[in-house]
Amino acid sequence: AQSVTQLDSQVPVFEEAPVELRCNYSSSVSVYLFWYVQYPNQGLQLLLKYLSGSTLVESINGFEAEFNKSQTSFHLRKPSVHISDTAEYFCAVSDRGTSGTYKYIFGTGTRLKVLA
Amino acid sequence: NAGVTQTPKFQVLKTGQSMTLQCAQDMNHNSMYWYRQDPGMGLRLIYYSASEGTTDKGEVPNGYNVSRLNKREFSLRLESAAPSQTSVYFCASSEQGGTAPLHFGNGTRLTVT
Repeated sequence: AQSVTQLDSQVPVFEEAPVELRCNYSSSVSVYLFWYVQYPNQGLQLLLKYLSGSTLVESINGFEAEFNKSQTSFHLRKPSVHISDTAEYFCAVSDRGTSGTYKYIFGTGTRLKVLA
Repeated sequence: NAGVTQTPKFQVLKTGQSMTLQCAQDMNHNSMYWYRQDPGMGLRLIYYSASEGTTDKGEVPNGYNVSRLNKREFSLRLESAAPSQTSVYFCASSEQGGTAPLHFGNGTRLTVT
């Protein structure tokens, strides 16, 4: 079964500085990866996803993530953060269960705090 | 555009009481999921339903039951609530499992005293 590790539980960073949120997954033949963002008192929203093709994927608000098969990583980056990026970020992987159906496994989350 | 609707938003139960969390989606999605979110533990999958009429256990199914009432609705029942079930519960749906992203409701905050 798939698993996801987010090593950093909290990441403080100053406004306009770059940030990287780390995500590692357990190996698999094929893997689909996702990053979600959760703002306070809300549900999760999709930020970006990797299904196949180009290993670098981008979101509409300046985040990007790179799929690295050899390192089993899918780190999220942004070159310059804003106060509004303060939120919790979750990495997720889809996993095909024994019954043949898919489920989604999440990491423990990284709380990004952008400081003025 | 309601998306995924969860009711209630908040609930307080006493130990041993039962309740059902309701979830409905209007996107004609095949797959639906129930997660619980606890501090420092991320989201953990309780149960999921790949299609109408099927359900599967997730990572933490003990103490819960589910019903996929129809394609739109997927309910989560706590038969005898325990303090360990104090959590925020999220329902989600996807067009199909695997490559399609999840769409989440806004959650139900449950406290068991």
